[in-house]
Amino acid sequence: DIVMTQTPLSLSVTPGQPASISCKSSQSLLQRDGKTYLNWYLQKPGQSPQLLIFEVSSRFSGVPDRFSGSGSGTDFALKISRVEAEDVGVYYCLQGIYVPYTFGQGTKLEIK
Amino acid sequence: QVQLQESGPGLVKPSETLSLTCAVSGYSISSGYYWGWIRLPPGKGLEWIGSINHSGTTSYNPSLRSRVTMSVDTSKSQFSLRLSSVTAADTAIYYCARMWAYWGQGTLVTVSS
Repeated sequence: DIVMTQTPLSLSVTPGQPASISCKSSQSLLQRDGKTYLNWYLQKPGQSPQLLIFEVSSRFSGVPDRFSGSGSGTDFALKISRVEAEDVGVYYCLQGIYVPYTFGQGTKLEIK
Repeated sequence: QVQLQESGPGLVKPSETLSLTCAVSGYSISSGYYWGWIRLPPGKGLEWIGSINHSGTTSYNPSLRSRVTMSVDTSKSQFSLRLSSVTAADTAIYYCARMWAYWGQGTLVTVSS
């Protein structure tokens, strides 16, 4: 199985400050079609996961532009330019290439 | 807007079969995409269970393959999950999704006698 390793596992951020989460995969996520199937999700308390970023860096419909994704191969990052109170929850990365599809362990973001 | 809604028993006895259905609205299953089940055990991370498309082609997590069956009913706009021989380790919130953008709200299934 592809192992997805997220760091840090928890994050405490002052509103208005930036935040960054790393996700490393045990194998390259680059497909032969040139696409890299790495998604980022936020699971807010009591809700289902919501898609933030797909294919490394494309923001999903309605996602604020303070969220951005970057990376290639095996190293990826999610950045929040200015954290807001509504950003609390658990962030997950997902690789959607190799079966079984696997998620990172999750990174819990809280507000200071 | 694509919407998904899980339904099924919230309590299942050990060794029995867990059965869940996902009702889809706002999009025709026949139009494409894979439809999947994902679960979140208490205190743990997300786990992909399996996926199915409109023609019934399936893909399962090898760790669960021997116990999982998924089916699709395009006429009812729904797809289903069956997980046999459950144990306490199968206690989780179960989500259905149109992979990977749209998710249901999730349903808690507890395995207990």
